[in-house]
Amino acid sequence: DQQVKQNSPSLSVQEGRISILNCDYTNSMFDYFLWYKKYPAEGPTFLISISSIKDKNEDGRFTVFLNKSAKHLSLHIVPSQPGDSAVYFCAASIGGGADGLTFGKGTHLIIQP
Amino acid sequence: NAGVTQTPKFQVLKTGQSMTLQCAQDMNHEYMSWYRQDPGMGLRLIHYSVGAGITDQGEVPNGYNVSRSTTEDFPLRLLSAAPSQTSVYFCASSYGETGGNGYTFGSGTRLTVV
Repeated sequence: DQQVKQNSPSLSVQEGRISILNCDYTNSMFDYFLWYKKYPAEGPTFLISISSIKDKNEDGRFTVFLNKSAKHLSLHIVPSQPGDSAVYFCAASIGGGADGLTFGKGTHLIIQP
Repeated sequence: NAGVTQTPKFQVLKTGQSMTLQCAQDMNHEYMSWYRQDPGMGLRLIHYSVGAGITDQGEVPNGYNVSRSTTEDFPLRLLSAAPSQTSVYFCASSYGETGGNGYTFGSGTRLTVV
């Protein structure tokens, strides 16, 4: 059973607009949630994270929102740029991440000019 | 800093052959882990380690072995390759109590088993 779900395999957004990527989880033990960005033929790169005790974390154009009661988080990218076109993975960890990360299946974000 | 280095980048194996995927990090990270990525499946955890001499199984450990004799190295061994192990393999490391700082990933090894 998937513990981290990204239900949109792909998302197309116009350059300059807001991109919103969604993620749901089922395991209440997760205490950190992370977003990774991945280009083809490269490894994932860490983007932004949020602790389960917070509801928002912001870093430049990227903001992650967490709704614990709904077990839902979202990544907002404003404004979207062509270089943002990539696959975005939602991931979660328990207890500092010692036993690795649990990933969603990813969302392919396409930024159109 | 080289970060996380994986070798080889590409490999073709015949069914039944064995091989070792190498992973080395130069950041003195405590935590290391191996993932495989299959189309439409995201990344799935194979094995992980919280320090030298300590390893444990992840979500999909069957057919793979690991050891961690040093902090820097975390090799992944395929004992008898099967076509189902055709995948892209990623190694990752973190300094421990990572929480929100995440893992640093290598660039991957693309393995094809024929």
